[in-house]
Amino acid sequence: QVQLQQWGAGLLKPSETLSLTCAVYGGSFSGYYWTWIRQSPGKGLEWIAEINYSGNRNFNPSLMTRVTTTVDTSKNQFSLKLISVTAADAGIYYCARRSGTGVPNHWGPGILVTVSS
Amino acid sequence: DIQMTQSPSSLSASVGDRVTITCRASRDIRSDLGWYQQKPGKAPKRLIYAASTLQSGVPSRFSGSGSGTEFTLTISSLQPEDFATYYCLQHNDSPWTFGQGTRVDIK
Repeated sequence: QVQLQQWGAGLLKPSETLSLTCAVYGGSFSGYYWTWIRQSPGKGLEWIAEINYSGNRNFNPSLMTRVTTTVDTSKNQFSLKLISVTAADAGIYYCARRSGTGVPNHWGPGILVTVSS
Repeated sequence: DIQMTQSPSSLSASVGDRVTITCRASRDIRSDLGWYQQKPGKAPKRLIYAASTLQSGVPSRFSGSGSGTEFTLTISSLQPEDFATYYCLQHNDSPWTFGQGTRVDIK
């Protein structure tokens, strides 16, 4: 049974860097795309970025100047960094897994991120 | 970006009702679409992928159809556990985009 467990700081000040990590348990790490998605009342669900096990990346153009995503295949983990956060970046951040031809079918539980001075 | 227009934004229905939710894409996305169910405080759960393929373990009362620009999620007989919010997601072209969601609540 594949499980995704995620962690990171949930309270940030404007201009700080959001840093999240997602660990994958119970399944293969290779052969999949590892995705970050966020959800906010104002924007709904928003796809942020994805990376595969060999490091190939794809970003949402609206965020790509501020986003970095990496994989650590030795730990079966992948990470997201979002620099210069504002109140507009607040929301629930999910990590997820998808196979190459479909939409994500395994999701982490989500982390609530608040941005406040 | 491909815009996904989902309708209705909310609906009220009774147990046993047939429910239909629609997503329209701003351009042809072939069958590159999935449907999700989300309950409060939980991550979305995949119900349908490739527009019409039922996710393993999902009850057969859920079905998806469509291709190109118009897609439908149907719940043939609404059950109490189906009251939730439903989203479509296109993965034909980056950036992937979601519909705005359809909230299904009890009449």
